Amino acid sequence: EDKVVQSPLSLVVHEGDTVTLNCSYEVTNFRSLLWYKQEKKAPTFLFMLTSSGIEKKSGRLSSILDKKELFSILNITATQTGDSAVYLCAVDVRNTPLVFGKGTRLSVIA
Amino acid sequence: NAGVTQTPKFRILKIGQSMTLQCTQDMNHNYMYWYRQDPGMGLKLIYYSVGAGITDKGEVPNGYNVSRSTTEDFPLRLELAAPSQTSVYFCASSYLPQGMGNSPLHFGNGTRLTVT
Repeated sequence: EDKVVQSPLSLVVHEGDTVTLNCSYEVTNFRSLLWYKQEKKAPTFLFMLTSSGIEKKSGRLSSILDKKELFSILNITATQTGDSAVYLCAVDVRNTPLVFGKGTRLSVIA
Repeated sequence: NAGVTQTPKFRILKIGQSMTLQCTQDMNHNYMYWYRQDPGMGLKLIYYSVGAGITDKGEVPNGYNVSRSTTEDFPLRLELAAPSQTSVYFCASSYLPQGMGNSPLHFGNGTRLTVT
């Protein structure tokens, strides 16, 4: 059975801290890994990763994939209260629907 | 550009009632999906559609039905509501099959359903 495990499940940090969110997976026929940010409503797309070792970056957020060790990390530097959200990791597996992890709830306090 | 629009935003149903959750997208996406999200859990796929007239079951289809008569609309029907269907429901669409290429899912804002 394909599975995606995110850790930690929740995290509280102070503004300015750097956080690392983890996503490990066990799937057959891996195609890509995606990160989404979910605030109060709809998840919004952050990154799609298909190749090992190539960092994707958007402002203070960055992510990298390790296809040998089957995990990805999402880094957020200089966190702000607006970064508070649930971060979802999903793996695209050939011929099956996306497999989502349970998410990491990040709370950034001033 | 409206993107993916879901209605209603909230609904309370009694056990055994039926209702339809509406979803429409204006991006001309062929692929549409219905997910449910329970507290502390990830998104679970209920049904999906690869184009008008074609639907298929996802991971948790029991208790639900869908139809796809047009590219734009993908309604989700609950026939006999049960407390286990209390959840937040998200509709999504994509240009390519979910996650492929540079085609992430576009989500609606969700429908919070409570069955009592």
